[in-house]
Amino acid sequence: NAGVTQTPKFRILKIGQSMTLQCAQDMNHNYMYWYRQDPGMGLKLIYYSVGAGITDKGEVPNGYNVSRSTTEDFPLRLELAAPSQTSVYFCASSSDTPVGQVFEAFFGQGTRLTVV
Amino acid sequence: ELKVEQNPLFLSMQEGKNYTIYCNYSTTSDRLYWYRQDPGKSLESLFVLLSNGAVKQEGRLMASLDTKARLSTLHITAAVHDLSATYFCAVDRLNYGGSQGNLIFGKGTKLSVKP
Repeated sequence: NAGVTQTPKFRILKIGQSMTLQCAQDMNHNYMYWYRQDPGMGLKLIYYSVGAGITDKGEVPNGYNVSRSTTEDFPLRLELAAPSQTSVYFCASSSDTPVGQVFEAFFGQGTRLTVV
Repeated sequence: ELKVEQNPLFLSMQEGKNYTIYCNYSTTSDRLYWYRQDPGKSLESLFVLLSNGAVKQEGRLMASLDTKARLSTLHITAAVHDLSATYFCAVDRLNYGGSQGNLIFGKGTKLSVKP
């Protein structure tokens, strides 16, 4: 019963480096999301996808890229890391079919990224 | 602008006391979500409120929704230390062309329950 799995859990990057945060879900959800959480703040949407091959920008997409080649995976790419990207990143997924009228988002455990 | 505002942002309570966290939102959404986050952990879904007047209870927590006032409350009854966490409310962007997991979060209320 894995749900939403994110890797890595922690990472330190130097300014200008690049990396990919991995996210996989095994619930056959069409919708997947990337959020970032800055200290003392709520989550903000970076990118989302409504199905394989379809992605769209959220509130704070600058400095990030995503792809969705399969239903299960939704990686988030940082091309040129900047200190402003120090944050905790959460991946989430949701079904497009309600369960008892509820469309609920399920969150991964998060990736804590520090850019120095 | 689509906004969700929570207050208070910090709440220090004594065990056994009651308190209410408020969540105001600016969207026309009828769906309101409450999450709990423990330090260093992910978000745990507490309640999903789907319509005006909805009330849900789980243990010492009770959530309600007034869509006319665009207000949800999370009431804590006889607080215990285990309730210490950060509580977030959120609304979705379904009415604005978004999908159901496309959420706007409040800043969270950090609750500390002391003996």
